[in-house]
Amino acid sequence: DTEVTQTPKHLVMGMTNKKSLKCEQHMGHRAMYWYKQKAKKPPELMFVYSYEKLSINESVPSRFSPECPNSSLLNLHLHALQPEDSALYLCASSTLTGLSSYEQYFGPGTRLTVT
Amino acid sequence: DQQVKQNSPSLSVQEGRISILNCDYTNSMFDYFLWYKKYPAEGPTFLISISSIKDKNEDGRFTVFLNKSAKHLSLHIVPSQPGDSAVYFCAASSNDNYGQNFVFGPGTRLSVLP
Repeated sequence: DTEVTQTPKHLVMGMTNKKSLKCEQHMGHRAMYWYKQKAKKPPELMFVYSYEKLSINESVPSRFSPECPNSSLLNLHLHALQPEDSALYLCASSTLTGLSSYEQYFGPGTRLTVT
Repeated sequence: DQQVKQNSPSLSVQEGRISILNCDYTNSMFDYFLWYKKYPAEGPTFLISISSIKDKNEDGRFTVFLNKSAKHLSLHIVPSQPGDSAVYFCAASSNDNYGQNFVFGPGTRLSVLP
């Protein structure tokens, strides 16, 4: 199983809502990532979890709150978002050993619209 | 300031011919480079990679060339097929943090014409 799954595929939320994005992988990868991708732009790294601990936070606003409940799951909790947060949110995973640690497997993304 | 640049936003190539996608980087600490392919409504898919200790890596129709002195890499697809039509992202990483801190280029949209 080389798949990273993300739910939901699409999400529309108001600025006062609280919602969560979910990501799951069963490849035994111990690194998981959240990226944000705006239209016609490359993915931008938001957070990295290594061995279920937050290892990189790219100065992301606190209205985005990541959580890694176990080695297979990664959540992104959203609260009080702004319309400019509308984007495609991508989850990825990779190993943490050897050169293959550089190769990240991406999910299909969640298309988020903030109204 | 973009650390990874792909100066051609788009490229059109005839089926069967060679596609050459270019990527330039500015950070000399980068030591591992990858190409990802992205179809609409899908996440990026890993295509091929190269370590800075090599200057060429080949996988089937795909070859990546690295010129460290010029801080330039290129992806060659030969022969190009219509199914190769996608956005191609060049990405770079350094050895710190197990290579987790990726920087992606802006992407090049490849269209392979039948």
